[in-house]
Amino acid sequence: GQQLNQSPQSMFIQEGEDVSMNCTSSSIFNTWLWYKQEPGEGPVLLIALYKAGELTSNGRLTAQFGITRKDSFLNISASIPSDVGIYFCAGQLRSNYQLIWGAGTKLIIKP
Amino acid sequence: DAGVIQSPRHEVTEMGQEVTLRCKPISGHDYLFWYRQTMMRGLELLIYFNNNVPIDDSGMPEDRFSAKMPNASFSTLKIQPSEPRDSAVYFCASSLSLTRAGELFFGEGSRLTVL
Repeated sequence: GQQLNQSPQSMFIQEGEDVSMNCTSSSIFNTWLWYKQEPGEGPVLLIALYKAGELTSNGRLTAQFGITRKDSFLNISASIPSDVGIYFCAGQLRSNYQLIWGAGTKLIIKP
Repeated sequence: DAGVIQSPRHEVTEMGQEVTLRCKPISGHDYLFWYRQTMMRGLELLIYFNNNVPIDDSGMPEDRFSAKMPNASFSTLKIQPSEPRDSAVYFCASSLSLTRAGELFFGEGSRLTVL
């Protein structure tokens, strides 16, 4: 079946550092989305990307839709404690609009 | 505005018992999704509805699982009989339209523990 490779699996960083994570697939996606999940809550949509090459920012977050339509990255600049959580990428196929999910990147900020 | 509302937040039951999880989507959203999340398998789509009609239930693990959406503001996911391997967090999510079907609004989830 369809799979997304999300990396890294986890990140231990200092407050103030920049963060980068990415997702790749063997399939071409129509849409890339990035979600964040905090403990005890459901995922929350951060950024949605609809065009190849699109670069979109949401505050300190920036995400790009890869030009090949098979990859996407998410950057977080100047991390703060509330950035802690699990970040998921998701790709949407044109054919059936179903979302394919990455396994998540767990972000931990060292005190 | 109220988001997606799920109940119960936590459920602990014994193997063999029936479990019913409930969801109220965001008003005006045409799509409703049921997901299951475990450490081993991540987020798995179980079933989704469009305008109260089930569209794809290929993710439903087996006949013990069933889902209904009797009206636009209510859906249930039922497990009968429940088994320990059903222990997971079950999420309901809704989205506005087909062109934005990936933009999901999730509830807080129902954590199910089957002993």
